[in-house]
Amino acid sequence: EAQVTQNPRYLITVTGKKLTVTCSQNMNHEYMSWYRQDPGLGLRQIYYSMNVEVTDKGDVPEGYKVSRKEKRNFPLILESPSPNQTSLYFCASSFEGINEKLFFGSGTQLSVL
Amino acid sequence: DQQVKQNSPSLSVQEGRISILNCDYTNSMFDYFLWYKKYPAEGPTFLISISSIKDKNEDGRFTVFLNKSAKHLSLHIVPSQPGDSAVYFCAASAIGRDDKIIFGKGTRLHILP
Repeated sequence: EAQVTQNPRYLITVTGKKLTVTCSQNMNHEYMSWYRQDPGLGLRQIYYSMNVEVTDKGDVPEGYKVSRKEKRNFPLILESPSPNQTSLYFCASSFEGINEKLFFGSGTQLSVL
Repeated sequence: DQQVKQNSPSLSVQEGRISILNCDYTNSMFDYFLWYKKYPAEGPTFLISISSIKDKNEDGRFTVFLNKSAKHLSLHIVPSQPGDSAVYFCAASAIGRDDKIIFGKGTRLHILP
């Protein structure tokens, strides 16, 4: 089944403790991206990647890192999480880029205490 | 600076009637627009898209209209069904400029029995 898989679904952590949210797609998509959803703010793009080893900042990249060492994986790294990074995170992919529909993962609810 | 605006946080429509969701944008460089639907505890799913070279795109019960001069697009759902109750996000991108996608804040649609 074609899908975007995020893990974990739920994560509670403490300020400053490094964490990684994994994202994997099995559709051979070139484009992958991360979003956060906050009440009243909608979906905001954090980082995106057009291809392996190519990443770029979205609208809210501060406090996040990403890597794209393999085509299928696009992990989101929070080196030193803070409470303002408490949010619902979505990974998404598309075949070639922004002129095609995105396939989203089921989301990761992160709470930073 | 909110480049994609969905000014109605929520909308209630009787089952069987037409639902009209609106979206305004400010960036004249946007040339591709998409609508996504989101149920609770799930990732957004693609609904319909439109390129700036068109003013209408139809897919079954869903039609998107684009008015470039007014920088306005709308999603029409006819007839509305209970399963249409969800949050709808409008998104826009500028192909060839960068690879960012800008989402609106979303509109929650309630279909009333």
